[in-house]
Amino acid sequence: DSGVTQTPKHLITATGQRVTLRCSPRSGDLSVYWYQQSLDQGLQFLIQYYNGEERAKGNILERFSAQQFPDLHSELNLSSLELGDSALYFCASSQGAHNNEKLFFGSGTQLSVL
Amino acid sequence: GQQLNQSPQSMFIQEGEDVSMNCTSSSIFNTWLWYKQDPGEGPVLLIALYKAGELTSNGRLTAQFGITRKDSFLNISASIPSDVGIYFCAGLPMNYGGSQGNLIFGKGTKLSVKP
Repeated sequence: DSGVTQTPKHLITATGQRVTLRCSPRSGDLSVYWYQQSLDQGLQFLIQYYNGEERAKGNILERFSAQQFPDLHSELNLSSLELGDSALYFCASSQGAHNNEKLFFGSGTQLSVL
Repeated sequence: GQQLNQSPQSMFIQEGEDVSMNCTSSSIFNTWLWYKQDPGEGPVLLIALYKAGELTSNGRLTAQFGITRKDSFLNISASIPSDVGIYFCAGLPMNYGGSQGNLIFGKGTKLSVKP
């Protein structure tokens, strides 16, 4: 158990809908990262928050947004969903925001857009 | 953009055999990491490498940071059934923006062990 909690584990929805994925980092970790994992693209970094503030942005679509709350949990919002958004979405956390820190991943949310 | 080429893509091995996989790039990396992902779970960090030429072990696993800083290798000795999973290399490129979020992942090596 990595200590990172993600809910829900599975999500099935239709195109055009909006969903929210939730992540609770390990106790004491201030950074939360969101990754998308698909069969053809591998693990793609979406966005990072550190202590409530956006720290780094990767290949995140404009239809996607995230935030980190004062209790440090984070939510990833995916809107106007398309079939191609079907993927495994991982949250990871680390203690700080510096380089070379180890990431601890949650078990992921499997999103299926039908 | 920067890419990591991980090979082989998949492999079947006999229990007890040694396994080797590698990751290469045309760019220079400051850090190399190796993760393992079990079915239904997120990646778990196995080994972290921070210096060119560094050789680090974790039980039966040994990884090396290539001298050119453009590659890394992972070896698993005397494989057992629980070694099954997907192994990912990941690296922090030299021109990273100062955040682990710029970690670049390879596409993985799927390891299957014949009982």
